[in-house]
Amino acid sequence: AQSVTQPDIHITVSEGASLELRCNYSYGATPYLFWYVQSPGQGLQLLLKYFSGDTLVQGIKGFEAEFKRSQSSFNLRKPSVHWSDAAEYFCAVAVILTGGGNKLTFGTGTQLKVEL
Amino acid sequence: KAGVTQTPRYLIKTRGQQVTLSCSPISGHRSVSWYQQTPGQGLQFLFEYFSETQRNKGNFPGRFSGRQFSNSRSEMNVSTLELGDSALYLCASSPGLKYTDTQYFGPGTRLTVL
Repeated sequence: AQSVTQPDIHITVSEGASLELRCNYSYGATPYLFWYVQSPGQGLQLLLKYFSGDTLVQGIKGFEAEFKRSQSSFNLRKPSVHWSDAAEYFCAVAVILTGGGNKLTFGTGTQLKVEL
Repeated sequence: KAGVTQTPRYLIKTRGQQVTLSCSPISGHRSVSWYQQTPGQGLQFLFEYFSETQRNKGNFPGRFSGRQFSNSRSEMNVSTLELGDSALYLCASSPGLKYTDTQYFGPGTRLTVL
């Protein structure tokens, strides 16, 4: 069965430091992977996505992620974190549905705290 | 384009009542999916609608239902509310039924059941 694992529940970084959030997936077919961010009381905002092509994908707000098939990973990175990046981050894999389309299977999320 | 809108943003209900939540997708998007988010279970898929038809359903009891209208707007209904139904309900829209269609989320409706 498909699944997404985010090993880190909480991460604290200092403003200006680099960031890497880990994501491992389990999916039998070619994975269609996403990172979403959620601020308190808000919905999910799409940061970036990967389906095929270049394994390093660029997203909004200076984020990037690298797909590594051999490690079943899709880690999110940012070279320099800003205080406004404090939020919860979700990795997700799209699962093909028999009725067409897809559903997202999410990891449990990583809560990012930024120290000033 | 305007994003996905959900109304109301907040709801307080008591056990046994029923509730209806509304979602308006991004203009031109024809597929609407619903997710439930709780601290204990995380984000879980409820169901997906396309062309006024429920195409797929997650593992939720029959108390959870929905529909989609000809303008692609969708509603979900929860009957006989239980305390455990307290959650953030998120609606997502996507262009169609392709596997590669990306889902864009609304701000959610926070439901509290007392």
